[in-house]
This record gives sequence, structure tokens and C-alpha cells, in this order.
Amino acid sequence: KNEVEQSPQNLTAQEGEFITINCSYSVGISALHWLQQHPGGGIVSLFMLSSGKKKHGRLIATINIQEKHSSLHITASHPRDSAVYICAVPGGPDYGGSQGNLIFGKGTKLSVKP
Amino acid sequence: DTEVTQTPKHLVMGMTNKKSLKCEQHMGHRAMYWYKQKAKKPPELMFVYSYEKLSINESVPSRFSPECPNSSLLNLHLHALQPEDSALYLCASSQERTGVHEQYFGPGTRLTVT
Repeated sequence: KNEVEQSPQNLTAQEGEFITINCSYSVGISALHWLQQHPGGGIVSLFMLSSGKKKHGRLIATINIQEKHSSLHITASHPRDSAVYICAVPGGPDYGGSQGNLIFGKGTKLSVKP
Repeated sequence: DTEVTQTPKHLVMGMTNKKSLKCEQHMGHRAMYWYKQKAKKPPELMFVYSYEKLSINESVPSRFSPECPNSSLLNLHLHALQPEDSALYLCASSQERTGVHEQYFGPGTRLTVT
């Protein structure tokens, strides 16, 4: 079963700062998911990536498959970016044997102060 | 329409009650998932349906009973729950269970068992 580690667990930033959240995993995967969850709310999928880099607005996600590591960057952070950011990967062959059976990191709680 | 809907948003039930949670998607997805999320913890996979058949049951107690009446609808029937079952219950869907596909999450049902 895949193991997922995220860092940092908590992150406080001033508005406008550049933010990086890291995710590492133990078993090789075909794709990694970055998700966002606002307090008390449901989950929104931000990125699904298999290699290289993806950009959406102020969000950038990168992945290094060989090193089993991914990063989520937020440029020009804003208070509305305050949320929990979760990295998720397929559980691996002992976890239902399907890429759809995700295992989630513990999340990074981001607070952006005005 | 890239939306997964869940009803109700909130549910309070006694330990002797029977209730149901409902999840719906109209994206033509053939895989649907139930997750349980306790406060400040990542989601944990409970059940996976693929083409309306249960394919994964992650050792969930029998007081939780899933049902997939058609390809758009997923129910979770609850009976004789315990207070420790209080949590956010999330539904998700993806195009297929196998292969690499983005998962779309619903807003969740916040369940309180008294």
C-alpha cells in the first residue's frame, strides 16, 4: 500500500507570498492528484498529473516520478487560498489494484493573512 | 455538467434510526466512491462501485450498506450507527475505476450520530 507524506502540516503566509507544499509517496504511480478542501466543505480537484508540470491560474503543480515527489506552488497568495491542500495517489496493487482507489496525505492547512 | 451532488447536507440521527445518504452525477461516469472523513483527518475509502457493481469494500461495518440503483445514483444506507460514525461522508465519481482518471467530489453530508 502506498504511503503519502505531506509537508508542512500547517503553513501561515502573508498575502502575496509564494507558497510551496510538498508531497512524497512510496510506491511508483501513474498519476498524482492535488485537491483543495475549504473548512467544513467538500473537496475540489485542482490537478491530476503524470509528469512534468501543470499550471492553472496562480497554481502550479510539478511532479518528479523518479524521485516520487510532487510540489504544489501558489504564486501571489491571497486570503481566499486559505484551505487544506491534499495530495492523493493510487493505493497500489495491494489496495484494490486500481488507479482509482486513492490514498490521501494528511493535508497541509494553509492560512493566508491579509 | 461536472457536478456531483449529495443530499442531505447535514443529518442528525439517533443510534436506532435508519437513514440514507444520496449521491448523484450526470457525467456518464461508471465508477462511484464513498469516503468517510473524520475531523482534521484525510478521507478514507469505504466503497467503490464500478458499472453499478460493488468492487471494493474496505472492511466497512455492516451498519453501512451501499447501493447503486443505476449508473447515476449511489446511496449509502445507515442503520444502528454509533456516535463514532459521526463524520463527513463524501461521494466521488470518475470515468472508470481502472486507468488514470480525475475524481470529482461532492460537497459531502455531515453526519452526527447522537
